Amino acid sequence: EAQVTQNPRYLITVTGKKLTVTCSQNMNHEYMSWYRQDPGLGLRQIYYSMNVEVTDKGDVPEGYKVSRKEKRNFPLILESPSPNQTSLYFCASRPDRGKAFFGQGTRLTVV
Amino acid sequence: EDQVTQSPEALRLQEGESSSLNCSYTVSGLRGLFWYRQDPGKGPEFLFTLYSAGEEKEKERLKATLTKKESFLHITAPKPEDSATYLCAVQVVGRTDSWGKLQFGAGTQVVVTP
Repeated sequence: EAQVTQNPRYLITVTGKKLTVTCSQNMNHEYMSWYRQDPGLGLRQIYYSMNVEVTDKGDVPEGYKVSRKEKRNFPLILESPSPNQTSLYFCASRPDRGKAFFGQGTRLTVV
Repeated sequence: EDQVTQSPEALRLQEGESSSLNCSYTVSGLRGLFWYRQDPGKGPEFLFTLYSAGEEKEKERLKATLTKKESFLHITAPKPEDSATYLCAVQVVGRTDSWGKLQFGAGTQVVVTP
């Protein structure tokens, strides 16, 4: 079954404690992205990747890091999380001219 | 700057009461416009892709249309199971950093009551 898998689904952490949210896709897609979703603001792109070792900033990259060492994986790293990064995060993958497939979401709370 | 605006923000319908959602966009060059449905706490689910003005796509009670400045999602005779947030997104051409970028509107929350 074609899918994008994110882990964990829920995470509560404290300010400054490094964390990683994993994302994996099984469709051999070139493009992968991370979004955050906040009430009234919709989905905003954090980072995206066009292929292995190729990444670029989206609209709200501050405070986040990504890496794409393998085609199927695209982890999101928060080196020093802050409360304003409390949000619902989605990973997505898609082929060049195709629709995006989204993961189930990760609800992150930073206290 | 590329912009995607959806209206209304929220829509409450009686079962069977048809309506339309609007997605207006201001972009440098449209590569494609996408409609997604999102249920609470879940990831967006793909509905339609439209590539050029005049194009229409249909699926069950939903029909999407595209002009040069906006797209409409028409919901005909909705049922309670059509309750969801509907998201519009555009993919833009003409910039070196645009290949992976989908810009989303804030969404329209639709509630259909029996």
